[in-house]
Amino acid sequence: GQQVMQIPQYQHVQEGEDFTTYCNSSTTLSNIQWYKQRPGGHPVFLIQLVKSGEVKKQKRLTFQFGEAKKNSSLHITATQTTDVGTYFCAGHVNQAGTALIFGKGTTLSVSS
Amino acid sequence: NAGVTQTPKFQVLKTGQSMTLQCAQDMNHNSMYWYRQDPGMGLRLIYYSASEGTTDKGEVPNGYNVSRLNKREFSLRLESAAPSQTSVYFCASSELRDSYTLEYFGPGTRLTVL
Repeated sequence: GQQVMQIPQYQHVQEGEDFTTYCNSSTTLSNIQWYKQRPGGHPVFLIQLVKSGEVKKQKRLTFQFGEAKKNSSLHITATQTTDVGTYFCAGHVNQAGTALIFGKGTTLSVSS
Repeated sequence: NAGVTQTPKFQVLKTGQSMTLQCAQDMNHNSMYWYRQDPGMGLRLIYYSASEGTTDKGEVPNGYNVSRLNKREFSLRLESAAPSQTSVYFCASSELRDSYTLEYFGPGTRLTVL
């Protein structure tokens, strides 16, 4: 079946260090979305990328969608304690699809 | 707008008991979803409803039933709860953005089955 894999599963960093999580799909995706879930909370939509090779930035967060539309990455520059949580990637296999395929997430912890 | 609301927030059941998890959204979204989240397993889709009157199975539908009562409400029923159904359950609804659906999640129901 279609799968979206995320690595690493867990990452611990010191505050101020950079962090990157990677998302890889077994099939070509129509789009990629990223969600963040704070500890004890619910997933919250961060961003969507739809074009091959697209790069978007939100303050210290940089999101990339691969040229082949089968992989994506989220990079956080100079992490802060507020970045703690689990980051999920998700995508649609085709535009007509009604359900997102979620990766299992990368859980980030940050120590000050 | 309250967004997506879920009741109850917490629930403890005994094996074999039944219960219904309630979900409602006030964003006039057509599509709604039920997920379960277990440690290390990410979000797994149980059922979804693309529009009022339709429901479809997701990745892990066994042991669950759903009802799309109207456009606002989508309930999840456990007929005979089992310890394997101990999990956090999230309801979501979605809107279209750039031709793709993005999802808004409720706060979750933390269910323990003893």
